Amino acid sequence: AQKITQTQPGMFVQEKEAVTLDCTYDTSDQSYGLFWYKQPSSGEMIFLIYQGSYDEQNATEGRYSLNFQKARKSANLVISASQLGDSAMYFCAMSDGSSNTGKLIFGQGTTLQVKP
Amino acid sequence: AAGVIQSPRHLIKEKRETATLKCYPIPRHDTVYWYQQGPGQDPQFLISFYEKMQSDKGSIPDRFSAQQFSDYHSELNMSSLELGDSALYFCASSLDRLAREQYFGPGTRLTVT
Repeated sequence: AQKITQTQPGMFVQEKEAVTLDCTYDTSDQSYGLFWYKQPSSGEMIFLIYQGSYDEQNATEGRYSLNFQKARKSANLVISASQLGDSAMYFCAMSDGSSNTGKLIFGQGTTLQVKP
Repeated sequence: AAGVIQSPRHLIKEKRETATLKCYPIPRHDTVYWYQQGPGQDPQFLISFYEKMQSDKGSIPDRFSAQQFSDYHSELNMSSLELGDSALYFCASSLDRLAREQYFGPGTRLTVT
């Protein structure tokens, strides 16, 4: 069965510094997708970035980049130049490649607090 | 840009009542997913639709049913509500089942008293 693990329940970072949020996954599928979402205290789920299992380059979207290490089964999110508005819960998720339905399996989440 | 629309945003129901949650996907998105997020938990997949047909089913109670209509909007029907059904219910949509982006709506916060 597929599984996503986020081992950092909470993280602190100083404003303007970079931070890495860890995510490891377990799957026997060859084809899968990895997603990161941000959930502020208001509750909405904001899509940040996607990495496909066959993508050779690490995905980047503005200040967000995904450090994809396939052999280690890790998909860490790097946020550069942290801002106060980055304070939120961050979820790593994986799409189920075997079922090809696109449903997502989520990790437990990491709460990030940015300090001024 | 258009986003996923969910209604209502908040809903308060009593035990044993029924509730209907609606979802309007992003235009041209033909795949809809429903997720349930309990307090302090990660979202859990309930059910999905592709081209108006159910494509996958997760841990959805038998008391819940859902469908996708001809205009691609979807409804989640919940009957005999229990206290444990209190949660944030998300609808998400994507261009297709293998899409590289899956966008979530703002969620419906259901409180069962």
